[in-house]
Amino acid sequence: EDKVVQSPLSLVVHEGDTVTLNCSYEVTNFRSLLWYKQEKKAPTFLFMLTSSGIEKKSGRLSSILDKKELFSILNITATQTGDSAVYLCAVRNNTDKLIFGTGTRLQVFP
Amino acid sequence: NAGVTQTPKFQVLKTGQSMTLQCAQDMNHEYMSWYRQDPGMGLRLIHYSVGAGITDQGEVPNGYNVSRSTTEDFPLRLLSAAPSQTSVYFCASSQWGTSETQYFGPGTRLLVL
Repeated sequence: EDKVVQSPLSLVVHEGDTVTLNCSYEVTNFRSLLWYKQEKKAPTFLFMLTSSGIEKKSGRLSSILDKKELFSILNITATQTGDSAVYLCAVRNNTDKLIFGTGTRLQVFP
Repeated sequence: NAGVTQTPKFQVLKTGQSMTLQCAQDMNHEYMSWYRQDPGMGLRLIHYSVGAGITDQGEVPNGYNVSRSTTEDFPLRLLSAAPSQTSVYFCASSQWGTSETQYFGPGTRLLVL
């Protein structure tokens, strides 16, 4: 059975801290891995990763994929209160199905 | 472009009632899907469609029906609502095979009493 597991489930930090969110997967016919940010609304797209070892970066957020060990990490440096959200990891297979993890809830306090 | 739109935003049903959650997109996307999101369960795929006239089951299809008569619309039907279907429902669309980005609608919050 395909599954995506995220850790930790919840994280509380202070502004300025750096956080690392983890996503491991067991998915048949892997095609890509996606990260989303969800505040109190629909998820918004962050990154899409298909190749191992190539870092994707957007401002203070970055992500990398390891297809050998079947995991990805999402890093957020110099966190801000606006980074507080649930971060979702999803893996797409070759039939275009997206399998989501349960998410990591990040709370950033001033 | 309006993107992906969903109606209603919020609905209360009694057990056994039926209703249809509407989803429409104006981006000419072939791929559309329905998810439900429950606390601690993440997003789970209910049904999806790779084009007009083609639908398939996702992870949790029981209790839901879909149809795709046009590229733009992908309604989700609950034939006999149950309290276990209380959830937030998201519709999403993307370009089949060319773009990995899924665009999500704003969600429908459903409460079944």
